[in-house]
Amino acid sequence: DQQVKQNSPSLSVQEGRISILNCDYTNSMFDYFLWYKKYPAEGPTFLISISSIKDKNEDGRFTVFLNKSAKHLSLHIVPSQPGDSAVYFCAGGSNYKLTFGKGTLLTVNP
Amino acid sequence: KAGVTQTPRYLIKTRGQQVTLSCSPISGHRSVSWYQQTPGQGLQFLFEYFSETQRNKGNFPGRFSGRQFSNSRSEMNVSTLELGDSALYLCASSFGPTGGNQPQHFGDGTRLSIL
Repeated sequence: DQQVKQNSPSLSVQEGRISILNCDYTNSMFDYFLWYKKYPAEGPTFLISISSIKDKNEDGRFTVFLNKSAKHLSLHIVPSQPGDSAVYFCAGGSNYKLTFGKGTLLTVNP
Repeated sequence: KAGVTQTPRYLIKTRGQQVTLSCSPISGHRSVSWYQQTPGQGLQFLFEYFSETQRNKGNFPGRFSGRQFSNSRSEMNVSTLELGDSALYLCASSFGPTGGNQPQHFGDGTRLSIL
């Protein structure tokens, strides 16, 4: 039972354009969501989070949108930079536990 | 401020052996969680400890166990290793109980290979 799904295994965008990473979830009990970025041979790095009572949270170039009725969240990166190339994981949290999606590999081309 | 430290970084074992992995959280962090990352399954939650108590456990067999010490350091043990246990094992810490918007900070993991 995959409670958090990232349906796009990979995404390629041009430098300077917007990157949109999507995530769907099935567990209505999640009360917060997080996005992590992971480079090869390193642990995931926290990017941005959003509470389930909010629909948007912004931090610099990163904005997360939450649509609870659709059980969908997305991460927008504007403008995209080559250093943003990494695997991005979304995660839902509840009851002292994070449930992760399988990740989306973002490649930002110069 | 030192990050989450996991030792060893790499480990090679054979089937049937047991292994212990170690995690030192960020100073002041009291919650430690463990995850298994494999190419096909992504990051899967193993268990979470807070103040030496296991508060949640994922869907892994009893061969996977852990503990947390009074200084918040944590160890994870896997007994009777199987080929399918080959994975990257990640430890994450947070200041308080995992909840709300307490982000977890990850170590770089221990790469376990079973021959």
